Amino acid sequence: GDSVTQMEGPVTLSEEAFLTINCTYTATGYPSLFWYVQYPGEGLQLLLKATKADDKGSNKGFEATYRKETTSFHLEKGSVQVSDSAVYFCALSGGFTGGGNKLTFGTGTQLKVEL
Amino acid sequence: DAGVIQSPRHEVTEMGQEVTLRCKPISGHDYLFWYRQTMMRGLELLIYFNNNVPIDDSGMPEDRFSAKMPNASFSTLKIQPSEPRDSAVYFCASSPRAGNTIYFGEGSWLTVV
Repeated sequence: GDSVTQMEGPVTLSEEAFLTINCTYTATGYPSLFWYVQYPGEGLQLLLKATKADDKGSNKGFEATYRKETTSFHLEKGSVQVSDSAVYFCALSGGFTGGGNKLTFGTGTQLKVEL
Repeated sequence: DAGVIQSPRHEVTEMGQEVTLRCKPISGHDYLFWYRQTMMRGLELLIYFNNNVPIDDSGMPEDRFSAKMPNASFSTLKIQPSEPRDSAVYFCASSPRAGNTIYFGEGSWLTVV
């Protein structure tokens, strides 16, 4: 079945550092890929998405490129801020399980940004 | 536009009591999902509905859990009887159609003591 693997956290960075959070997936067919962010005490918010190979999703300085050849969707940001501290979830929908909208989540990666 | 609305936001209950969590999806969305989040198991899909019909309830942990969607604007997740291991954050989410973005509510934080 479908699965998503994320790098273990927590990731601790200094403000203005470069961020990469790795995400790889297993799916057949053509899944859509997502990054969601969860701030402390809140629900999940969509950060960005990509629906086909080579698409780049971007939002708020974050970006991720759908790489079918490496089955990856790594999240990057050139200069992180303290306000980016949160848990980041990689997810996919569709793919093997079909099911249209069912989201399969990774385990989440906690990011801590310090001054 | 109002997002997905969940209630209660926080609930503390005693073991053995019935718990009912409520959700109002975004108007016009055809899909509704219930997820559970715990430290140990992460985010788990419990059940989802399409046009008020349950499509996949394979994630519902046991018979103590039940979910209903009597109309397009309301769903409930019920736990009866509740147990301490049910303590978690329960998220409701909705989506307009297959393949589209899923929008989450702010969650119901359940503690069973």
